[in-house]
Amino acid sequence: QKEVEQNSGPLSVPEGAIASLNCTYSDRGSQSFFWYRQYSGKSPELIMSIYSNGDKEDGRFTAQLNKASQYVSLLIRDSQPSDSATYLCAVNIEGSQGNLIFGKGTKLSVKP
Amino acid sequence: GAGVSQSPRYKVAKRGQDVALRCDPISGHVSLFWYQQALGQGPEFLTYFQNEAQLDKSGLPSDRFFAERPEGSVSTLKIQRTQQEDSAVYLCASSLGGAGDTQYFGPGTRLTVL
Repeated sequence: QKEVEQNSGPLSVPEGAIASLNCTYSDRGSQSFFWYRQYSGKSPELIMSIYSNGDKEDGRFTAQLNKASQYVSLLIRDSQPSDSATYLCAVNIEGSQGNLIFGKGTKLSVKP
Repeated sequence: GAGVSQSPRYKVAKRGQDVALRCDPISGHVSLFWYQQALGQGPEFLTYFQNEAQLDKSGLPSDRFFAERPEGSVSTLKIQRTQQEDSAVYLCASSLGGAGDTQYFGPGTRLTVL
């Protein structure tokens, strides 16, 4: 059973702080990794994709991938109340047709 | 339209009724995925199409679930003899190519079975 694990939270941070969201995955052959943001009652929206070890930065967001540790994280700098949402980690496992395995999501709350 | 669209947005069905959920992917996207999302959970894969070919249906929970994409564009997910456990949000996603490509999600259809 291929699994993606996330702390369900809620993770609460003050406005302006760094929010750190973590995800581990079980399939060592996983190739592609995605972070989606999902507001309540809405569909998932892509935040970041990452394919190789290291960091990838896009504005206030940084994704970090460590394939040896089977670990991927998302850092949100200068957190804003509008960042309050559930963040879903998704993994495309080796040999699949492209379907994603999602974690249960981490609920982030940014307090003004 | 610029994004993935789904209809209806909300569907209430009585137990035992058949339902059909529609997905219009982004124009030109080869791959189309259906996911089921229960409350408080992440989306779970149901089935995958590459053009009109259904290449993976391993996630369909029972033979009451059926999906098609006859012309390689619009897709329909059909659920026969709905049960209460079918209540969930059904999400459709499309991507330009295959494995590893970014998937863009539609707004979903919230199905409630009474």
